Amino acid sequence: DAGVIQSPRHEVTEMGQEVTLRCKPISGHDYLFWYRQTMMRGLELLIYFNNNVPIDDSGMPEDRFSAKMPNASFSTLKIQPSEPRDSAVYFCASSPQGGNTEAFFGQGTRLTVV
Amino acid sequence: DQQVKQNSPSLSVQEGRISILNCDYTNSMFDYFLWYKKYPAEGPTFLISISSIKDKNEDGRFTVFLNKSAKHLSLHIVPSQPGDSAVYFCAASRYSGGGADGLTFGKGTHLIIQP
Repeated sequence: DAGVIQSPRHEVTEMGQEVTLRCKPISGHDYLFWYRQTMMRGLELLIYFNNNVPIDDSGMPEDRFSAKMPNASFSTLKIQPSEPRDSAVYFCASSPQGGNTEAFFGQGTRLTVV
Repeated sequence: DQQVKQNSPSLSVQEGRISILNCDYTNSMFDYFLWYKKYPAEGPTFLISISSIKDKNEDGRFTVFLNKSAKHLSLHIVPSQPGDSAVYFCAASRYSGGGADGLTFGKGTHLIIQP
C-alpha cells in the first residue's frame, strides 16, 4: 500500500477563496482523522470519521471548515472562505482501529492563505 | 489548555549518548501513549507506544517509560544516532470501549544529534 495520500502538497490561495484538501486513506482502515499543525497550537485534531461517518468534529475551529467522507477511500476538508490565520500544515491520518493504536499519517498539505 | 505537554522545545545530544525526551499529561483518562517522529516536509511516523497497564516498553534502541502516578512518560534513545535528529511528538488517547477519539499531541521536541 502507498500509505495515506494527500493532495495537494502545497496550496497558496487568496483570502476569501475556497480551499479543498483531499485525502486517500490506507485501504481497509476504518478510521480517518484530520489534524492541523501550527506553531502556536502544535498538532490538533480537527475531526475524525469511523466507517465514513463523522464521529467528533469538536476540533473544527469554525463553521468555515467542513469535512466529508463520501466513501471509504476518499475524504475532503474544505475551508470557505479561507483566512490568513488558516495557514498551517493539514495532515490526514488513518488507522485500522482507533485512538488506542497507531495512526498512519500522510505527508500533509501546506496551506498558505495570503 | 494543553493536556499533553512537552516542555523542552529542543534538545541537543552527542552521537552515541543517551537521548531522553520527556512528556507530561494532565488528563487521567488517557490510558494509551505513543511517540511519533517527524522529519521536515513529512508526516509524523509512529515510533513506539505503551499502554497504561505497563510501565516500560522497549523496541531496539527505543524505550518508553510510563509513571502513571506522576502522569509522566519519557522516551529513551540509546545510543543516539545522526538519523535520530527529528521532531518527536508525544501523543495520548483514551480507551473508549472499542471506539476512538483520535490522539492528543504535545507540541514536540526537536532532537538534534551532534556528531
